[in-house]
Amino acid sequence: QVQLQESGPGLVKPSETLSLTCTVSGDSISSYYWTWIRQPPGKGLEWIAYIHYSGSTGYNPSLKSRVTISLDMSTNQLSLKVNSVTAADTAFYYCARMGKIYGGVDYWGQGTLVTVSS
Amino acid sequence: QLVLTQSPSASASLGASVKVTCTLSSGHSSFAIAWHQQQPEKGPRYLMKLNGDGSHVRGDGIPDRFSGSSSGAERYLTISSLQSEDEADYYCQTWTTGIQVFGGGTKVTVL
Repeated sequence: QVQLQESGPGLVKPSETLSLTCTVSGDSISSYYWTWIRQPPGKGLEWIAYIHYSGSTGYNPSLKSRVTISLDMSTNQLSLKVNSVTAADTAFYYCARMGKIYGGVDYWGQGTLVTVSS
Repeated sequence: QLVLTQSPSASASLGASVKVTCTLSSGHSSFAIAWHQQQPEKGPRYLMKLNGDGSHVRGDGIPDRFSGSSSGAERYLTISSLQSEDEADYYCQTWTTGIQVFGGGTKVTVL
């Protein structure tokens, strides 16, 4: 059974770069589409970006200028970078699997809380 | 613009049924969606993919108390035989080329 585990700093300073990694076990990342989604505490879900090993990517237009998503086939990991963070980027960040055919999420990671504060 | 609209809340008694609605924006009435459940203090869990014709496929381990249906631009999640652990936020999600969209979520309260 596939398992997704997010990791990264829980605290990031304003104007710095938020970097997260999602380690996938139980399946190869080259078989699926993958995505990052975030949720500010007490609020709804916000899609950030998706990627496929073929190179296909998609970004939320409101975040596109600050976000980079990538895959590392050698380590079976998914990564996310968000530049120039502010307090508004404080959220639970989830990595998720989207299936072999482009579509919705069919498996979620547990999530990790990232707080932006000096 | 692709948008999903959900009512903020719904409620029903223990053992009864509740129907949660997700509405697709104009021009997108044929789109499939996914339903996700988020219990308090937990991460989301995938429930099912729901097509425009009402056919649906539940995720692994999702009980058949959770079912989906469609009518025009409306997508429904029905939870039968409500249990206390069904009290949660429910989100719908849809997609098109290059974009993923989530609804605002519906909080289901079990009375």
